Amino acid sequence: QSALTQPASVSGSPGQSITISCTGTSSDVGAYHFVSWYQHHPGKAPKLIIYEVTNRPSGISSRFSGSRSANTASLTISGVQAEDEADYYCSSYTTSSTVVFGGGTRLTVL
Amino acid sequence: QVQLVESGGALVKSGGSLRLSCAASGFTFRDYYMSWIRQIPGKGLEWVSYISGNRNTINYADSVKGRFTISRDNVRNSLYLQMNSLRAEDTAVYYCARMTTSTDFDYWGQGTLVTVSS
Repeated sequence: QSALTQPASVSGSPGQSITISCTGTSSDVGAYHFVSWYQHHPGKAPKLIIYEVTNRPSGISSRFSGSRSANTASLTISGVQAEDEADYYCSSYTTSSTVVFGGGTRLTVL
Repeated sequence: QVQLVESGGALVKSGGSLRLSCAASGFTFRDYYMSWIRQIPGKGLEWVSYISGNRNTINYADSVKGRFTISRDNVRNSLYLQMNSLRAEDTAVYYCARMTTSTDFDYWGQGTLVTVSS
C-alpha cells in the first residue's frame, strides 16, 4: 500500500493554469475509473473536487478538471485564484479493495 | 444537510486503547459505506478503514490491521473505530467520511485529534 506520488509543491500566479500529477501503478490509478481529488485547507474538512477521474461534484468550479493517462492522473486548475491556495490530494481504489492517497501537493498562489 | 461529527480523540499512552465515534445526520446512514481517514501532523492523508452499510464488507490499511476495529450502529446512525495497541505513529487527526459507490469520499467530518505519547 505505497502512497501515490505527487509533487510536494506547485505554484502559480493568479490567472495562470497549474497541473498536479498523481502517479501510481496498474494496481491502483491505472486499474479502475476510481481516482478522486480533494482540496484541503488546513484546519478544515477536506473537500471532494473531482471523482471518477474527470467528474466534478455539484458546486465545484469548472476551473477544476481531471484527466488520466495510464498510471498517472492529473488535476488542472485553470485561472488559479488566491482562494485555491491549499493542499491537494489524489486518491485511488486499488485491486486489493483498499484505498490509497497521494502524499499531497501544496499549491501556493504567488 | 449531511453532517458528520467525530468525537473521542484524546491523549493516550503507547499501548493503550481508544474508541472514536462519528455521529451522522442528514442522509440515510445505512445506505452508505463509511470510512475512517487520518492525517498525521505535518503529513498527508492516510486511509484507515471502511465498512459497508450492512457491515458485510470491511477492510483495513496494513498499518492498522489487527489493532483497529471499525463498526457501525445503523439505529444510532453512528460509526466507530476501536483502536488498540496504540503507537506513537498513530498520532493523527482522524476523520470520518462518507464513501460513495465510486469509492470517493464526498462528505467529511471536522476530525478528532488522537495523540499517543511514548
